[in-house]
This record gives sequence, structure tokens and C-alpha cells, in this order.
Amino acid sequence: GDSVTQMEGPVTLSEEAFLTINCTYTATGYPSLFWYVQYPGEGLQLLLKATKADDKGSNKGFEATYRKETTSFHLEKGSVQVSDSAVYFCALDTGRRALTFGSGTRLQVQP
Amino acid sequence: SAVISQKPSRDICQRGTSLTIQCQVDSQVTMMFWYRQQPGQSLTLIATANQGSEATYESGFVIDKFPISRPNLTFSTLTVSNMSPEDSSIYLCSVGGPKVFSYNEQFFGPGTRLTVL
Repeated sequence: GDSVTQMEGPVTLSEEAFLTINCTYTATGYPSLFWYVQYPGEGLQLLLKATKADDKGSNKGFEATYRKETTSFHLEKGSVQVSDSAVYFCALDTGRRALTFGSGTRLQVQP
Repeated sequence: SAVISQKPSRDICQRGTSLTIQCQVDSQVTMMFWYRQQPGQSLTLIATANQGSEATYESGFVIDKFPISRPNLTFSTLTVSNMSPEDSSIYLCSVGGPKVFSYNEQFFGPGTRLTVL
């Protein structure tokens, strides 16, 4: 079945450091890929998305590129801020419209 | 985008009782989904609720435990029946975007935090 694997957290970085959160997937067909973010005490929000191979999703300084050859969708940001501290979820949709989520990665950014 | 509200936002319940969670959307959508997020865990799909048909449950979830209603295109309920402490979780509803027959993003409600004693 479909699955998403994320790097385990927590990831602790200093402000302005470079961020990478790895995400790989297993799916039949050509899924759409997503990154969702859950800030402390808040609901789940879509951060960015990509619908086909080589697409790059971007939002709020975050980027992720859909790599079909490596079945990956790693999340990156060049310079993190304290306000980026949250839990990040990688997810996929194979067309069922329901999402399959990874386990989530907690990011802690220290000033 | 869609605005989704859930009621209650949180509840503390006794073992053996049932709780019905409501999900209201500000626009008409064909597909609604119910997820569970256990403490410190990721989201797991419970069921897909389409208006006018029976809900479709994922492996490990059954209708007797999690009955779902979908009376119209803007509303759904999920009941957690005969609760045990293992049911303590955040329950979230989500909907597909307005273009439900083509790719679109999902919007999530704020969640209902359930604690079972």
C-alpha cells in the first residue's frame, strides 16, 4: 500500500540555519505530494504541494521538489526562524482524495 | 479555500460513553474525511464520507465503533462509541477543495481533542 517515510525528530536548529527534512514515499501510480505544518496549538495547514515529477512547491521560504526517480519530496528552507518551530508532515494523494501522512517531524528553532 | 468548524473543540468523557463530533463547512463539498491523530502520532484516515452514500472505512475502523452521518453537502458527524482510554486522540475532519473532481488541496478543521478517562 501507499506509505510515507519521514526523518525522525526532533530537529533542533539555530536561527538562520539551513533546514532539510527528508521525505520518501511508496505509491502506485503518480501521487500528488504535500507538506503540511502544524504550529503549536493550531490546526493542520497546507504548506506547499507538487502534482507531478520535477514540480517544485514553494511557500514562505520553504521549497520541495518532486523527485520521481528517488521517490522523494524533501523539505528545505535556507534560513529558519524561531516562528518556524512546528511539526511538519509529508503526505501523498494517489487520487483517492484522502491523504496518507508520514509520521511527522518536529522542528525546534532556537534563537 | 474552505472554512471548517468542529464542535466540540475538546471534551473529557467517561469510559463506555459515546461522543458525537460535528463538522461544518462553509461551502458544498462532495467528499469529507475523518482522521484520527493519537498523541504524538501522525494522522490516520478513519473513513471517507460522501453525501448520499454509506461511509467507506479504512482497515482497522468499523461502523459500529465510528458511525458517520453525512446528511448534506456541508455537514458531517463522527460518533466515537463505547469509548475507552485508547480512543483518546484528536479527531479531525477535512474536505477536498471546490474542484472535487480534479486535483485540489485539502482543508482541515481545527480538530476535536478527546480525552477518555
